[in-house]
Amino acid sequence: DSGVTQTPKHLITATGQRVTLRCSPRSGDLSVYWYQQSLDQGLQFLIQYYNGEERAKGNILERFSAQQFPDLHSELNLSSLELGDSALYFCASSGAGTSGNNEQFFGPGTRLTVL
Amino acid sequence: DQQVKQNSPSLSVQEGRISILNCDYTNSMFDYFLWYKKYPAEGPTFLISISSIKDKNEDGRFTVFLNKSAKHLSLHIVPSQPGDSAVYFCAASDVIYNQGGKLIFGQGTELSVKP
Repeated sequence: DSGVTQTPKHLITATGQRVTLRCSPRSGDLSVYWYQQSLDQGLQFLIQYYNGEERAKGNILERFSAQQFPDLHSELNLSSLELGDSALYFCASSGAGTSGNNEQFFGPGTRLTVL
Repeated sequence: DQQVKQNSPSLSVQEGRISILNCDYTNSMFDYFLWYKKYPAEGPTFLISISSIKDKNEDGRFTVFLNKSAKHLSLHIVPSQPGDSAVYFCAASDVIYNQGGKLIFGQGTELSVKP
């Protein structure tokens, strides 16, 4: 158990809909990251938040947005869903440079299926 | 543009022998390299990391070697055990002002250790 929790575990929805994925980082971790794993793309970085502020952005679509709240949990919002958005979405967290090696701890993921 | 590559999608070894997983990268600015292990339906689990200023890091049965001039790293597992069977991901990171940073993952190598 990494200490990172994600809900829901599975999500099935239709094209055009909007969903919210939730992540709670390990206790004390200030950074939260979102990654997408699809069959043909591998694990792709989407976005990072550090202590409530956006720190880095990857290939995140404009239809997707995220935020980190004062209690450090994070939400990833996916809107106008398309079939191609079906993937595993992972959240990870890391400490505030305590070890320096950017070791990130991953949650169990949310499997999104868009029908 | 794939900055981190794992050219072998799969590897099969006999129990007790050495497993060698390889990874190449293109960006010489990466600070840290990490290996993750992933079972189906679970999030990646951190295994071992190495800083760009070192050439070897060892943790029990796992050793990571870094050859900066060749932009190549490898993970050695000795001795291999059936429980090591999983997908192994190589990842590279450039740390942002001690506030973490995105991980760029390779495509993964599926290791199968046969009894």
